[in-house]
Amino acid sequence: SSELTQDPAVSVALGQTVRITCQGDSLKNYYASWYQQKPGQAPVLVIYGKNNRPSGIPDRFSGSSSGNTASLTITGAQAEDEADYYCNSRDSSGNHYVFGTGTKVTVL
Amino acid sequence: EVQLVESGGGLVQPGGSLKLSCAASGFTFSGSAMHWVRQASGKGLEWVGRIRSKANSYATAYAASVKGRFTISRDDSKNTAYLQMNSLKTEDTAVYYCTRHRWYEGFDWFDPWGQGTLVTVSS
Repeated sequence: SSELTQDPAVSVALGQTVRITCQGDSLKNYYASWYQQKPGQAPVLVIYGKNNRPSGIPDRFSGSSSGNTASLTITGAQAEDEADYYCNSRDSSGNHYVFGTGTKVTVL
Repeated sequence: EVQLVESGGGLVQPGGSLKLSCAASGFTFSGSAMHWVRQASGKGLEWVGRIRSKANSYATAYAASVKGRFTISRDDSKNTAYLQMNSLKTEDTAVYYCTRHRWYEGFDWFDPWGQGTLVTVSS
């Protein structure tokens, strides 16, 4: 399968920790990257590789991977973290790419 | 500043054609693979296709949903990538983003992204 499955929505209390997961067969062979998208805006890279953050991304964002599952964790969620989050990876062929179904994060 | 700016979106009838442009600045465009990603209103991100650099023979690849109808090209002298869309269908209606592909030690990622351009296919 070339699909990446994410939970549609999660909520987290302000300052608490939330984990977003991404499942798919291709993740056994390829690392995921993670993107944050706020309404009306383009996606923004937040995590890539084993656990790499681009410049400007707060260190409360972290990534991990095990087997066919990649995870994005927000430790100490802030109001500005409320957004849609998408994982991405190569598909099983390695020649195409696929995005996860997306997770809407609500900060309470 | 690393930047991508898309243009060329608009309203087109089913069966029509449209060509999008993606102008790059702030990085070595000629050495970068460029990808297109789209997003229908209220829906998730969908990978459309990519074009590699001259060093990789300008190789292209497309999602099954657009293969045979869409063509990606580039002009390195103008630091611009293109998405030629033919035989458009109503389901191609979306915001289209271009993004630079990065790769290092087996890791893939897309950064930056353009602001997107809206394509509406409707009669």
